[in-house]
Amino acid sequence: EVQILETGGGLVKPGGSLRLSCATSGFNFNDYFMNWVRQAPGKGLEWVAQIRNKNYNYATYYAESLEGRVTISRDDSKSSVYLQVSSLRAEDTAIYYCTRGRELGYFDYWGQGVMVTVSS
Amino acid sequence: DIVLTQSPVLAVSLGQRATISCRASQSVSISSINLMHWYQQKPGQQPKLLIYRASNLASGIPARFSGSGSGTDFTLTIDPVQADDIAAYYCQQSRESPFTFGSGTKLEIK
Repeated sequence: EVQILETGGGLVKPGGSLRLSCATSGFNFNDYFMNWVRQAPGKGLEWVAQIRNKNYNYATYYAESLEGRVTISRDDSKSSVYLQVSSLRAEDTAIYYCTRGRELGYFDYWGQGVMVTVSS
Repeated sequence: DIVLTQSPVLAVSLGQRATISCRASQSVSISSINLMHWYQQKPGQQPKLLIYRASNLASGIPARFSGSGSGTDFTLTIDPVQADDIAAYYCQQSRESPFTFGSGTKLEIK
């Protein structure tokens, strides 16, 4: 069974930073792309970042609205993916979902999400 | 960026057909591959993949759900609608980065 678990959320002050972690199991992590998608309270879904697998040289892609403030990384030995976000703003307040991605670009498994609140 | 446009709300009666549309600002198809996907999100839950590549049913999804379309115009159909289908439905394109979502359509019961 595919399992995806995000951790690392919480309350952060504006200008601060945090690192979200996503631990996975139940599939061969090395074969898949991984993504982060976020959802602000009461709003729609916003794709944040993607990291591809070794076959694609671990290429990374970012949403323009966050580029320069986010870094996605992965550790295949731990079947885990990470999202480092800096210079946090109130508008970064959201549930952050970790998703497994397929090569044709859809997200076939989602974690439960982790809440990040940016407030003073 | 490719913008995906969805109607915000759709109200249908139980047992009837629901047709949810998604229009892209430019083609999301490459040759015969339609890079449009659909997700369902119930309140308080994470999204779930329903349809990939415009018309392929994801694993475990009932055959009441179907998808169609190509180029810039895509449709998710639920027939017949059941009470358990009350949710928000999002389209998403993977033609190019950033991999944008539509703003979502909330399905309501009349």
